[in-house]
Amino acid sequence: DTGVSQNPRHKITKRGQNVTFRCDPISEHNRLYWYRQTLGQGPEFLTYFQNEAQLEKSRLLSDRFSAERPKGSFSTLEIQRTEQGDSAMYLCASSRDNSPLHFGNGTRLTVT
Amino acid sequence: AQSVTQPDIHITVSEGASLELRCNYSYGATPYLFWYVQSPGQGLQLLLKYFSGDTLVQGIKGFEAEFKRSQSSFNLRKPSVHWSDAAEYFCAVETSNFGNEKLTFGTGTRLTIIP
Repeated sequence: DTGVSQNPRHKITKRGQNVTFRCDPISEHNRLYWYRQTLGQGPEFLTYFQNEAQLEKSRLLSDRFSAERPKGSFSTLEIQRTEQGDSAMYLCASSRDNSPLHFGNGTRLTVT
Repeated sequence: AQSVTQPDIHITVSEGASLELRCNYSYGATPYLFWYVQSPGQGLQLLLKYFSGDTLVQGIKGFEAEFKRSQSSFNLRKPSVHWSDAAEYFCAVETSNFGNEKLTFGTGTRLTIIP
């Protein structure tokens, strides 16, 4: 069990630029989640994959956000035309069926 | 709508003292409840979970939590805290629409330990 891996750990970008984050779940975990955590708040659910299928998306996930999990393994989260309000920690988690979630260490995004 | 309330934003306790972190939930059905801990700059680690059965659940690092349906509470306790327990603690309720483990988190309680 090597844990959930997220890259990069930190990303600083200018407003209007596009960014992409990667999440590598624990191997054989069929479920993958993205959460967003802003300062002083708990994580908020963004989206959920079961294998390669994106089964649920939060209303928080505007049309500037897109997530993929093309082969049911790693996932990417892209934010287009970033805004300062996108600054947050983006957390990825994975699980197998009904087991509890395992979280990665997150990608901290700062939009200047 | 489902929600989780952690009324204490910040708690300070002395090393060796007992600890109780409060959590109240709002959920129509029988809840699945969780406590996670987050150290600075890190992801979340599961401390314990309640699905059903015994209302007192034991977790890692000496933590326990008690589910009280009548009070809609799931408070986290530890009899004697260690300096390494200083972290942010989040209570969460599972709010599944598709049989997944989508969690709704509280806003967290930051725990400071003083010598």
